[in-house]
Amino acid sequence: EPEVTQTPSHQVTQMGQEVILRCVPISNHLYFYWYRQILGQKVEFLVSFYNNEISEKSEIFDDQFSVERPDGSNFTLKIRSTKLEDSAMYFCASSNLGGGANTGELFFGEGSRLTVL
Amino acid sequence: AQSVAQPEDQVNVAEGNPLTVKCTYSVSGNPYLFWYVQYPNRGLQFLLKYITGDNLVKGSYGFEAEFNKSQTSFHLKKPSALVSDSALYFCAVSLSGGYNKLIFGAGTRLAVHP
Repeated sequence: EPEVTQTPSHQVTQMGQEVILRCVPISNHLYFYWYRQILGQKVEFLVSFYNNEISEKSEIFDDQFSVERPDGSNFTLKIRSTKLEDSAMYFCASSNLGGGANTGELFFGEGSRLTVL
Repeated sequence: AQSVAQPEDQVNVAEGNPLTVKCTYSVSGNPYLFWYVQYPNRGLQFLLKYITGDNLVKGSYGFEAEFNKSQTSFHLKKPSALVSDSALYFCAVSLSGGYNKLIFGAGTRLAVHP
């Protein structure tokens, strides 16, 4: 069964360092997402991406965050200068259906745990 | 503002008994409703969704959920629980027309005891 894969599974970094989290979505999917879950809290939407541009982003997704699809397979989340409060589990997701009447389910990766010291 | 509430942090049920995990939502507009499950050290897995049509929707692993518009609820149910159903369950809502931006509830931990 096709799946979304994420690397690294766990990254520890110092505050102020740049971090890149990588995701390989399911190959025929067109819509890509990042969510995050701070320990013990809700899963929160960060950003959606379609046709090589951001479709929607949340208030959390400020100028420190960026996303990119550098090639035909990878989808990355970059945090330019990490803060302590960026420590969380980051989930990548993809889907092959857009919004509206064709809203479909998202396929999530297993997550990348980011710890900022 | 859109929101999802899962009033129970944990639900305990004996194996073989029916289970219910509660979810209520608050949105303006037509909601699309979802249930996801998270097993330990795994990502979220889709269980079922309500978009339109029959209020009772059936999903994976024998789960079903009933959309109740008047009570703004979408409770997850299963007639006979299994120990392997023990996991973290998330209710989520999306607005029609969105690019699958999901608003998640806080999650409910289901513990099924032998």
